[in-house]
Amino acid sequence: DTGVSQNPRHKITKRGQNVTFRCDPISEHNRLYWYRQTLGQGPEFLTYFQNEAQLEKSRLLSDRFSAERPKGSFSTLEIQRTEQGDSAMYLCASSPGLAGGNEQFFGPGTRLTVL
Amino acid sequence: RKEVEQDPGPFNVPEGATVAFNCTYSNSASQSFFWYRQDCRKEPKLLMSVYSSGNEDGRFTAQLNRASQYISLLIRDSKLSDSATYLCVVTPGGYQKVTFGIGTKLQVIP
Repeated sequence: DTGVSQNPRHKITKRGQNVTFRCDPISEHNRLYWYRQTLGQGPEFLTYFQNEAQLEKSRLLSDRFSAERPKGSFSTLEIQRTEQGDSAMYLCASSPGLAGGNEQFFGPGTRLTVL
Repeated sequence: RKEVEQDPGPFNVPEGATVAFNCTYSNSASQSFFWYRQDCRKEPKLLMSVYSSGNEDGRFTAQLNRASQYISLLIRDSKLSDSATYLCVVTPGGYQKVTFGIGTKLQVIP
């Protein structure tokens, strides 16, 4: 399967714990995006990488959230001191970028439940 | 005004009907536009890019109206399998955030 993959698919944690999610984009896609989606809403942009550089961060991304893409391939999203309001689907997407096009291809998401 | 606005619906239409959705955007500098389809509890999947000249893919037609700042999606001969939420996506271009609409829910009824 050469699509975008995300791990884990589901995560249940207690309030105050830290969680980390991983995203593996489509090979050779330069751009990688993280989104958060709650029921009845469209995906909300969190952050965006061009290769290993994090070029844009939403104001939604509080200081408890951090994302990395150290080698320009896979990315991780960490949430520290989780709160119940962090419960959502966390989606990752990748796109070729630049001349390759802006169409984004999404992974299956990680569903986070904070108890 | 929201950056991207869609009527959340639901649109309930009989099989075989034609249905159209609009999506308005506020940033006149927006450059790229897309329609995505999202099934319940699944990830969004790209349906169509929207080009200035309009584009068609089978029963689906997408159009862009820059003057009025909206994009549209027309579905002809609706099938039960078209039931889903349709998300519009607007990208300003360059290194700026991508904005999704709230999505329009379509339910095709037998």
